Parts: sequence; structure tokens; C-alpha cells
Amino acid sequence: AQRVTQPEKLLSVFKGAPVELKCNYSYSGSPELFWYVQYSRQRLQLLLRHISRESIKGFTADLNKGETSFHLKKPFAQEEDSAMYYCALFNSARQLTFGSGTQLTVLP
Amino acid sequence: NAGVTQTPKFQVLKTGQSMTLQCAQDMNHEYMSWYRQDPGMGLRLIHYSVGAGITDQGEVPNGYNVSRSTTEDFPLRLLSAAPSQTSVYFCASRSGATNEQFFGPGTRLTVL
Repeated sequence: AQRVTQPEKLLSVFKGAPVELKCNYSYSGSPELFWYVQYSRQRLQLLLRHISRESIKGFTADLNKGETSFHLKKPFAQEEDSAMYYCALFNSARQLTFGSGTQLTVLP
Repeated sequence: NAGVTQTPKFQVLKTGQSMTLQCAQDMNHEYMSWYRQDPGMGLRLIHYSVGAGITDQGEVPNGYNVSRSTTEDFPLRLLSAAPSQTSVYFCASRSGATNEQFFGPGTRLTVL
């Protein structure tokens, strides 16, 4: 069965510091992975997906099949990046399985 | 486009009461789903639908019913509310073209 693991429930960094939110997955097929973000009092929204290989709001994520990881990175964190981040895996049944989430706080 | 809308935003129930959480989308998406969000557990799939007239169970379906009579609407029914159902509920719809999932604003439910 598929599983998405986000080992850090809470992560705090200072403004301007690099940030990495970890995501590991287990899935027997070819994975399709996403990062969703939920800002305070807002609904969840898609941040990026691995097949697009895009950078959104300065964030990037690379799929590493050898390490079964899809870590989210940003070289210089901003206060407005403070939010809850969810890694999600799209399985063969066309369902999204979410990790437990990481609450990122960027300190001034 | 309004996207995905949910009502109510907040609800307090007593144990044993029933209620329906409403969800609607105006993007003509075939796939819709309901999640509950609990601290430390992420989002867990309750029920989903791949089109009008078709529904199926997700990871945590017990205590919930759904129906999908139209493409637009996907209500979630709590048959007999229990304190364990205190949670934030999100409805979502998904684009078949991009696989991007769009979420509603959520309903915060408290069962006393």
C-alpha cells in the first residue's frame, strides 16, 4: 500500500535561511507527487507537482526515486511562507494520499 | 467561477444528531471527494465519486454517507454524530485534464 511520510510536524527557520521540508513515500508503481500548501485561514491549494518540474514562489521539489523522496526546498525563506505543507501521492486508483503535514514557521 | 463551495463553515452538534455537509463545484469536474483533517494525521479520504451516480469508500468511511445525483453536488451525511467525528471537513474536486485537486474552504464540526 502507498504511504507518504513527513517526519517533521513542526519546522522553524529564520527569514532568509534555506528551508527543506522532507517527504518520503512508499509506492510500488510510478509515483505522481504533489505539494499542497494551506496558509492561515485559507483553503488548501496546489503548490507544485513533480511532473511539471516548475518553481513556484521560489520552491522546488525533485523526485528522487532511489531515495523515494520528494523534498520541498527554498533557498531563502520569507515570512509569508509560514503555512502548513502537505506532500501527496497520486496512486493507481487515482486517489490522493496525503502525508501528515509540516507546519512551517518563518521567524523574522 | 466560485470553484468549490462548502456550507456551513461551522457547526456544533450533539452526540446522536444527524446533519448534511453541503459541497458544490462549478468546474464540471467528474471527480469529487471528502476528507477530514485532524491534527497530526493529515487529510484522510472519507468518500469519493468519479461521476454522477457513482460513489465509493475511502480510508475512513464509517459513520458517513454520500450521494452524487448531479455533477455539481456531493453532500456528506453524518448519520448519528459522535465526538470522534469532531474535525475539519474538506470537499475537493479534481480536473481530469491536469489532476489538480481544488479544495473547498472547509467545515469545522464539533460534536459534543
